[in-house]
Parts: sequence; C-alpha cells; structure tokens
Amino acid sequence: EDQVTQSPEALRLQEGESSSLNCSYTVSGLRGLFWYRQDPGKGPEFLFTLYSAGEEKEKERLKATLTKKESFLHITAPKPEDSATYLCAVLNGANSKLTFGKGITLSVRP
Amino acid sequence: DAGVTQSPTHLIKTRGQQVTLRCSPKSGHDTVSWYQQALGQGPQFIFQYYEEEERQRGNFPDRFSGHQFPNYSSELNVNALLLGDSALYLCASSLGQQETQYFGPGTRLLVL
Repeated sequence: EDQVTQSPEALRLQEGESSSLNCSYTVSGLRGLFWYRQDPGKGPEFLFTLYSAGEEKEKERLKATLTKKESFLHITAPKPEDSATYLCAVLNGANSKLTFGKGITLSVRP
Repeated sequence: DAGVTQSPTHLIKTRGQQVTLRCSPKSGHDTVSWYQQALGQGPQFIFQYYEEEERQRGNFPDRFSGHQFPNYSSELNVNALLLGDSALYLCASSLGQQETQYFGPGTRLLVL
C-alpha cells in the first residue's frame, strides 16, 4: 500500500526565517509527486508536480525537490501570508490513485 | 477560465439520510476524482470517474456511489449517513487519469 509521511506536523517560523518541509513516500510505480497548499476550510491549491529524482521546481519563495524516497519543500524568507497547511501526495502509475500525507501546518509570525 | 466548482458549500443531514454532492470540472478536463477529508487529516481517495465509468475506487463502502455525466460533471451520493461521514468532500479534475489534479472548494457535510 502506498504511504506518505510528512514532517514535522506543525512548524512555527518567524518572518524571514527559512526552513524545509519533508515528505517521505513509498509507492509502487511513481507517476508523480505533488505539493498542494490548503487554507482553512478551502480546497487544496496546486503548487508543484515532480516526476523524477533530481527534479526541482520553484515558485516565488517556494522550491520543491525530489529524491527516490523523499521530497522537500523549501521556504525562503517566508511571509505571514505563507501560513497554511502544505500537503504532499503521490500518484501511483499502476492504479492512478493519489495518496496524501496528513499535511504540515505552517505558521509564520510577523 | 472557470476552475472546479462544487455545490452545495455546506450541508447538514441526520443519521440515516441520503445526500448528493455535485461537481463541475475545470474547463477542458475529462476526469473527476472525489476525496473525503476529515479534520486534521489529508484527503482520502473515494473514487475516480473517466468516460462516465468508475475507474478506480478507494477503501470506502458501497454506501458511497457516484456518477459522471456526458458533460464530465459528476455527483457523489452517500446513503445511510453515519456520524463518521461528517467531513469536507473534495472534488478534483484532471485531463486524463494520470495528470495533475485541481481541486474545488469542497462541500462541508455535517451529520447529526
């Protein structure tokens, strides 16, 4: 069974304090790894898709990287508006099922 | 370009009742997936519809059923509601079964 584990569960940062969120996964036949941002009471907002180990993608203060067992979401000089829950998910290429982790709740203090 | 839309936004039902949730996919998308998200948890896959057929299913009982229409919109039906069915129900659409999924705002279901 596919599994996704995210750590830490919660992270509190000071504005401007860079950090990384971790996503460890096991999947038989990775089709893609996805990062989403979710604000309270709303649907997940797509951030990145990574397809193979060594791939990196950037968007504003966020950078996602992928290895064969993990993905990292690096946040550089975060702002309070980056506060949200960040979800990691893996897509199984054999059965097209998307499996999510529990998410990491990020809080950025001004 | 309209994104994924869902209706209703909120719903309150009592145990034993039945509920129908609706989803319109993002323009150009042909695949719809449904997820259940309990408070503090990640979304759990319920099932996926492509070409008007259920293609994949997660670990949910037969009380959960769905449908996809020729215009690619979809419905999620839940029968014999239980208290534990209270959750945020999310619809996601994609172009094909193995591409990036884009989510709607969700329907918050409360079962009393």
